[in-house]
Amino acid sequence: AQSVSQHNHHVILSEAASLELGCNYSYGGTVNLFWYVQYPGQHLQLLLKYFSGDPLVKGIKGFEAEFIKSKFSFNLRKPSVQWSDTAEYFCAVNAYGNNRLAFGKGNQVVVIP
Amino acid sequence: GAVVSQHPSRVICKSGTSVKIECRSLDFQATTMFWYRQFPKQSLMLMATSNEGSKATYEQGVEKDKFLINHASLTLSTLTVTSAHPEDSSFYICSAPPPLGGEGIDTQYFGPGTRLTVL
Repeated sequence: AQSVSQHNHHVILSEAASLELGCNYSYGGTVNLFWYVQYPGQHLQLLLKYFSGDPLVKGIKGFEAEFIKSKFSFNLRKPSVQWSDTAEYFCAVNAYGNNRLAFGKGNQVVVIP
Repeated sequence: GAVVSQHPSRVICKSGTSVKIECRSLDFQATTMFWYRQFPKQSLMLMATSNEGSKATYEQGVEKDKFLINHASLTLSTLTVTSAHPEDSSFYICSAPPPLGGEGIDTQYFGPGTRLTVL
């Protein structure tokens, strides 16, 4: 079964700072990788996903993530955060062709104006 | 994108009672839906896969008789927490894969969640 680890559950930073959230997974086969975001009071929304091809994936709202297969990582980045990026971010993985998602514990990101 | 709704958004019940949570795909058909449970400051834990027209598939450690799942139609799955106890208090979230021609396989649309509090 897949497992996902996210570190630094709480992240506090100022507007315009750069953000990087780490995600590591454990699974021996081909995987699909996702980052979901949950804004306060809202449901989970897909930020970006990696299925195959270019390991650098660009998502919505200026986010990007890089899949490094050798490190089993899929870190999320944003060069300059805004107050509106305050949310909880979840990394998730599933085995290729299998919709059953495994989630990390999430990162609570607070951006101070 | 496709929309998944849940009802109710919050429910408080007494210990020993049963609670039904609905998950609906509003503008697409979903032969498969997923139910997750989220504890405070924890990740989402997949509980079961709801299959339209057949029995649900439960993850290891999830009690089938405790968490009854019925996929009544192509747009509705229900989760019933039977004989609820305080330890069942949690945030329950459902999801459904997008319709064909949507964002592709292996992505999911999530409902807003249901906060269950058992007194």
